[in-house]
Amino acid sequence: QSALTQPPSASGSPGQSVTISCTGSSSDVGAYNYISWYQHHPGKAPKLMIYEVSKRPSGVPDRFSGSKSGNTASLTVSGLQAEDEADYYCNSYAGSNIYVFGTGTKVTVL
Amino acid sequence: QVQLVQSGAEVKKPGASVQVSCKASGYTFTRHQIHWVRQAPGQGLEWMAIIDPSGQWTGYAQKFQGRLTVTRDTSTSTFYMDLSSLRSEDTAVYYCARDGGNWGDKDHWGQGTLVTVSS
Repeated sequence: QSALTQPPSASGSPGQSVTISCTGSSSDVGAYNYISWYQHHPGKAPKLMIYEVSKRPSGVPDRFSGSKSGNTASLTVSGLQAEDEADYYCNSYAGSNIYVFGTGTKVTVL
Repeated sequence: QVQLVQSGAEVKKPGASVQVSCKASGYTFTRHQIHWVRQAPGQGLEWMAIIDPSGQWTGYAQKFQGRLTVTRDTSTSTFYMDLSSLRSEDTAVYYCARDGGNWGDKDHWGQGTLVTVSS
């Protein structure tokens, strides 16, 4: 049950796009389409942004999108805005009632 | 509206145990599992456990096996997380989060409970 691998940081200018990868294994990301993504501002509770790989909860802007290929899931934030600056975490089901988070990516809006 | 209200901050000595509670309201208690997640200072989110409100099954991250127990009290709509044999590395903010019903989508979160382990 190792943490999923994410790049430590990503950045972009306002209006640009940034894509965050989340690499696991054939036992978690590759095995299930139960991938979710969370936005976390320091001092606040995390917020669900994407579930089941690519579905957006109501209220989440369509600038946020998710995808998966093999053992790697991805979150893309298009049209970056200042309020998108936060930490982002992926989370995957790993079987047998077990879940695992990614290592986290700090997104900076330049 | 859905609310998860957690108990207050705790300070514990190494070797002690801590219990964090999470009182649910605003939805049908029996329809949603609850996850427990923590974040140590300067570290990322770490998934710890899940409990079905029926009490019939749970799931635990391997690293906590043997010293973590999650339970629920249906009479008060409250979930509990008990962590024993505390060490300094357990200093963290602990969150409960509701599973939205789509296999792991944590759609509502508690406010977090800071647990400090210090001698």
